[in-house]
Amino acid sequence: DVKVTQSSRYLVKRTGEKVFLECVQDMDHENMFWYRQDPGLGLRLIYFSYDVKMKEKGDIPEGYSVSREKKERFSLILESASTNQTSMYLCASSLLASGYNEQFFGPGTRLTVL
Amino acid sequence: RKEVEQDPGPFNVPEGATVAFNCTYSNSASQSFFWYRQDCRKEPKLLMSVYSSGNEDGRFTAQLNRASQYISLLIRDSKLSDSATYLCVVTNRDDKIIFGKGTRLHILP
Repeated sequence: DVKVTQSSRYLVKRTGEKVFLECVQDMDHENMFWYRQDPGLGLRLIYFSYDVKMKEKGDIPEGYSVSREKKERFSLILESASTNQTSMYLCASSLLASGYNEQFFGPGTRLTVL
Repeated sequence: RKEVEQDPGPFNVPEGATVAFNCTYSNSASQSFFWYRQDCRKEPKLLMSVYSSGNEDGRFTAQLNRASQYISLLIRDSKLSDSATYLCVVTNRDDKIIFGKGTRLHILP
């Protein structure tokens, strides 16, 4: 079974703090994704990566950056957290460099920025 | 028109009934289609892919109507455990993956 793990289930940070969200997948998947999910807005893509050290902006990259130094790990960074970044953050991975493949999601990190 | 649209629901359906919901998409060049299921406070998981010829998996049937640009999900003999949010996912030719906002389904005992 594919397993996607995220470093924290719940996180509380203060405005202005730098926040790191870590995601690890254990199935040698090429693609990794970061989404945020908010009530009424659904899942929105922040960033994705097709390969190590590669990154592409999604629909809402502002205020975020990412890092993929190893194939299995994809990190989301909030350089200076703001209250409007309070959300559920979901990491996902898929096998091939194509949208045709099933995405496997991690359990999510619920981030609260005070 | 939004890229992918779903009726948010909730659909409140008695146990044992049949329920169906649709998802419309705006890009006629969309290539692949999926239904994901998301339980409350859980991550989304693939329920089924949607093929041009339609496909069935047990009590679940998915269909694609390219002419009218929608996909559908039919659940027969609904169970309490079917209560969840069902997300429609569409992939465009440029591999852009678009999630719908989901349809909430409540199966009532």
